[in-house]
Amino acid sequence: DAKTTQPPSMDCAEGRAANLPCNHSTISGNEYVYWYRQIHSQGPQYIIHGLKNNETNEMASLIITEDRKSSTLILPHATLRDTAVYYCIVRVNYGGSQGNLIFGKGTKLSVKP
Amino acid sequence: DSGVTQTPKHLITATGQRVTLRCSPRSGDLSVYWYQQSLDQGLQFLIHYYNGEERAKGNILERFSAQQFPDLHSELNLSSLELGDSALYFCASSVSAGGSYNEQFFGPGTRLTVL
Repeated sequence: DAKTTQPPSMDCAEGRAANLPCNHSTISGNEYVYWYRQIHSQGPQYIIHGLKNNETNEMASLIITEDRKSSTLILPHATLRDTAVYYCIVRVNYGGSQGNLIFGKGTKLSVKP
Repeated sequence: DSGVTQTPKHLITATGQRVTLRCSPRSGDLSVYWYQQSLDQGLQFLIHYYNGEERAKGNILERFSAQQFPDLHSELNLSSLELGDSALYFCASSVSAGGSYNEQFFGPGTRLTVL
């Protein structure tokens, strides 16, 4: 089972920041938080990942709380093309670990004009 | 474009039949993962190969099998097909087997319809 809890759906106005929350209260010290998204029926797309520090790349920012029990993915200026299902996934990142991803139900983000 | 290719894009077949789905990973990636996405089950991990060897199995039925060839492409074989096998099948690839930084790149998927 997925180790994360996300709201099933969210709306966001075009041009505004989209803040997608994720609860992972049972996260272990060696588990990373990953975010992927799936646009319509395309293959999922990697967005960002982090361990405990906040991370930023060209797509998004990831804010992880100090106790690491929750995180927020921030899309700074959402566009209509960001409409997708966003998946928050926790997994370990050490040699010998299983690399597969365990997807939950995700959050369906609808960006509206 | 993720660099991962999957063929065919669409496949329509009948119950009881056998099909083969093909995946070519990104250049340099040694890991191939297979996932199934159906309406009621969501995205489910099926199986993982790394450099030709099976590394992990998920919710893969005994009627399904996979392999990774020396050129690193992979095939997923589905036999004795049932209506419930209708789904999107995704392949993903990554450089490593699960260690540090294991971003997975997903292909466009194969949509299987069993009639």
